[in-house]
Amino acid sequence: QVQLAESGPGLIKSSQTLSLTCSVSGGSISDGDYYWSWIRQPPGKGLEWIGYIYHTGISYYNPSLKGRVTMSVDTSRNQFSLTLSSVTATDTAVYYCARVYSAYHNWFDPWGQGTPVTVSS
Amino acid sequence: DIQMTQSPSSLSASVGDRVAITCRASQDISNYLAWYQQRPGKPPKLLIYGASTLQTGVSSRFSGSGSGTEFTLIITSLLPEDVATYYCQKYNRAPFTFGPGTKIDVK
Repeated sequence: QVQLAESGPGLIKSSQTLSLTCSVSGGSISDGDYYWSWIRQPPGKGLEWIGYIYHTGISYYNPSLKGRVTMSVDTSRNQFSLTLSSVTATDTAVYYCARVYSAYHNWFDPWGQGTPVTVSS
Repeated sequence: DIQMTQSPSSLSASVGDRVAITCRASQDISNYLAWYQQRPGKPPKLLIYGASTLQTGVSSRFSGSGSGTEFTLIITSLLPEDVATYYCQKYNRAPFTFGPGTKIDVK
């Protein structure tokens, strides 16, 4: 069965660009109609959807992130990535990657274990 | 954007109790609603999609109902392993918004 695993820097300074990668195992990132998503959760708070990407590179981002987000996919490595620019303390969160069932059925399953990111000043 | 609310924000119940959580959308989302369980320190786990379809492998003690703007997650016969925060999520169109969560603990 498909498993996802996030990786990232853990700690990043304010105003820098955050880069995270999600590695997919147990299946191909190009399989079927699946999309691939990033979701984050600030400490002690709820979940915020960041965006999703298809294996062809088609992507859609949450407008709340005001153009700071870029996603990419590397089918040869079975990975997809998130870049978030101009980070501030409000970007401190656990970042999860997840599979999206399809373009019209946008529920998330499975999820990775999450990678914590702290933005320091 | 469509806003999602949940009630209650937290509850405490006894083992064996029937528990109900309500999720409301600020606009009609038909049945484009999912429910997740997030145990402490763990990622969310999909329980239900399409408002009422149980994800494969999820206990039949969980059930979902509703359509339009009001939805309910029911846990029959609460177990200690059900201690978690439960989130609803709408997915009729992007952005895909989650509710604020309902934290359940066991008395």
